[in-house]
Amino acid sequence: EAQVTQNPRYLITVTGKKLTVTCSQNMNHEYMSWYRQDPGLGLRQIYYSMNVEVTDKGDVPEGYKVSRKEKRNFPLILESPSPNQTSLYFCASSFWSKSRGNTEAFFGQGTRLTVV
Amino acid sequence: AQSVTQLDSHVSVSEGTPVLLRCNYSSSYSPSLFWYVQHPNKGLQLLLKYTSAATLVKGINGFEAEFKKSETSFHLTKPSAHMSDAAEYFCVVSDSWGKLQFGAGTQVVVTP
Repeated sequence: EAQVTQNPRYLITVTGKKLTVTCSQNMNHEYMSWYRQDPGLGLRQIYYSMNVEVTDKGDVPEGYKVSRKEKRNFPLILESPSPNQTSLYFCASSFWSKSRGNTEAFFGQGTRLTVV
Repeated sequence: AQSVTQLDSHVSVSEGTPVLLRCNYSSSYSPSLFWYVQHPNKGLQLLLKYTSAATLVKGINGFEAEFKKSETSFHLTKPSAHMSDAAEYFCVVSDSWGKLQFGAGTQVVVTP
């Protein structure tokens, strides 16, 4: 079954304590991305990766890091979390099908992060 | 560059009446367009997707959307709202790399 798995689902942490949210996909997709969801703002892209060792900033990258050492995994790292990073985070894996001429997209279940 | 504008941040409808959620997009490419729904404290669920095969797209739970290239719109409709349709709805556009651009969302309230 095609799947994007995020962990943990819920996390409460304190300001400044480094954390990592994991994301794994089983579809061999090249494009993976992270989004944060805040009320009234929709989902905004934090970072994306177009392939292994290829990552780039999205619209709101400040305070975040990512890595793409292997195709299936795309962890989101908060080196020094702050309360303004309290949000709902989604990982996505997507693929543009040349034969179909459209994008296939899959999302993780979300990680609700609270930084106190 | 691509962008999405959802024209209504909140929509309130009575149960049994039609629902219309408006979405306009811009894209440099022939876009993929999606509607997702998010119920409270839940993840994102795909309602429907435009794939260029047909301009009128039918989705789950009685929803459908019409792609109008001349108007750069992809409005979502449902003939008769149900209480379970109360949720937040996101219009999404994607370019040929697979990047997903979300609208700000429309909160739907259904009253009895």
